[in-house]
Amino acid sequence: NAGVMQNPRHLVRRRGQEARLRCSPMKGHSHVYWYRQLPEEGLKFMVYLQKENIIDESGMPKERFSAEFPKEGPSILRIQQVVRGDSAAYFCASSSGTVPGYTFGSGTRLTVV
Amino acid sequence: QKEVEQDPGPLSVPEGAIVSLNCTYSNSAFQYFMWYRQYSRKGPELLMYTYSSGNKEDGRFTAQVDKSSKYISLFIRDSQPSDSATYLCAMSADNQGGKLIFGQGTELSVKP
Repeated sequence: NAGVMQNPRHLVRRRGQEARLRCSPMKGHSHVYWYRQLPEEGLKFMVYLQKENIIDESGMPKERFSAEFPKEGPSILRIQQVVRGDSAAYFCASSSGTVPGYTFGSGTRLTVV
Repeated sequence: QKEVEQDPGPLSVPEGAIVSLNCTYSNSAFQYFMWYRQYSRKGPELLMYTYSSGNKEDGRFTAQVDKSSKYISLFIRDSQPSDSATYLCAMSADNQGGKLIFGQGTELSVKP
């Protein structure tokens, strides 16, 4: 079992570019979550998805951020027109939805220059 | 006021010490309580979860929940240098998926 796979591990973007972060959940998991971790801060919830559906996006910024989890393929977190404040570690997690707690990936570290 | 408060530390202890990590929370709807361990530059790893009040033990780790005080703890016995990491508490109101609310994390260093 490969666990939750995130790629890329590191991503550098210039201000104004787009960032695409990918997440493949654990086998058998249909629930996907995205969290953001800023230096000196804890993990902040962004969005919760199931296949083809956004269940809870209460933590997503209203502009420039979007997420999807298509029927086939990985979940994608997309950040348009990145700004320096978007620099952070972005973690994806997955669960079966039957027990509390998730399994996290190793994260994508986004740096905006 | 944050929903979940956790002392960020850092906390430094000698090898073999008993470590106590704590979180307080304000939302009485929380029913599921978790502890995650995060090594530097890695993703968080689930250590334990507890439902409602009570204690749960797993090896050197014991989790306690006191819902009346809105206070949870993680105890680590016979701490080892390999326990050096950031420990995050997390909470949820339901067990059918849904978001977790995390504390800020406590950085622990166990010195040989």
